[in-house]
Amino acid sequence: DAGVTQSPTHLIKTRGQHVTLRCSPISGHKSVSWYQQVLGQGPQFIFQYYEKEERGRGNFPDRFSARQFPNYSSELNVNALLLGDSALYLCASSLVGGSWETQYFGPGTRLLVL
Amino acid sequence: GQQVMQIPQYQHVQEGEDFTTYCNSSTTLSNIQWYKQRPGGHPVFLIQLVKSGEVKKQKRLTFQFGEAKKNSSLHITATQTTDVGTYFCAGSSGGSNYKLTFGKGTLLTVNP
Repeated sequence: DAGVTQSPTHLIKTRGQHVTLRCSPISGHKSVSWYQQVLGQGPQFIFQYYEKEERGRGNFPDRFSARQFPNYSSELNVNALLLGDSALYLCASSLVGGSWETQYFGPGTRLLVL
Repeated sequence: GQQVMQIPQYQHVQEGEDFTTYCNSSTTLSNIQWYKQRPGGHPVFLIQLVKSGEVKKQKRLTFQFGEAKKNSSLHITATQTTDVGTYFCAGSSGGSNYKLTFGKGTLLTVNP
């Protein structure tokens, strides 16, 4: 079975632009979580979606939004990009999104904001 | 909010030496997970601990969960070059059954 896939792998944007990142979970997984990982830091929770509903949100501004589609894939949108948004954006899938479940991470999207 | 701290931030060892990283939470944890991230890669799940005082072993890796469920450790015996990477702990407290809070990680480098 295919693992978690994310696209694009790399992205360069300028300040003020917006970006859409995509994630496809492992087949059968209904929950997707998004994390931001700044260089030298651990992944920081942004959102979790389960069955197309937002279950939780981390301490991120409203410029960050996400959604989950009927096929359980997900998009993360970031508006009005700032230099500080440069990071590796990770998507993790799990069966139902419980914190006791293994999180299967995708390869990530490396975003550079200039 | 919940904070998870890891020490040390970096550790460089000679191949064959042991390595330990420690994880401490500001709150009592329901469970703790450990992940490994190779340079340029993504986090990969290693193990989960749930019970107070729990000890689990995976070959040369030994994981412990503290009696108070606020701290954990990962010990690697006789490191190998394949152990290189960043080791993260991630915990969940009772107030949230979906959110994992990651520590900043410990970067392990091994000199052959």
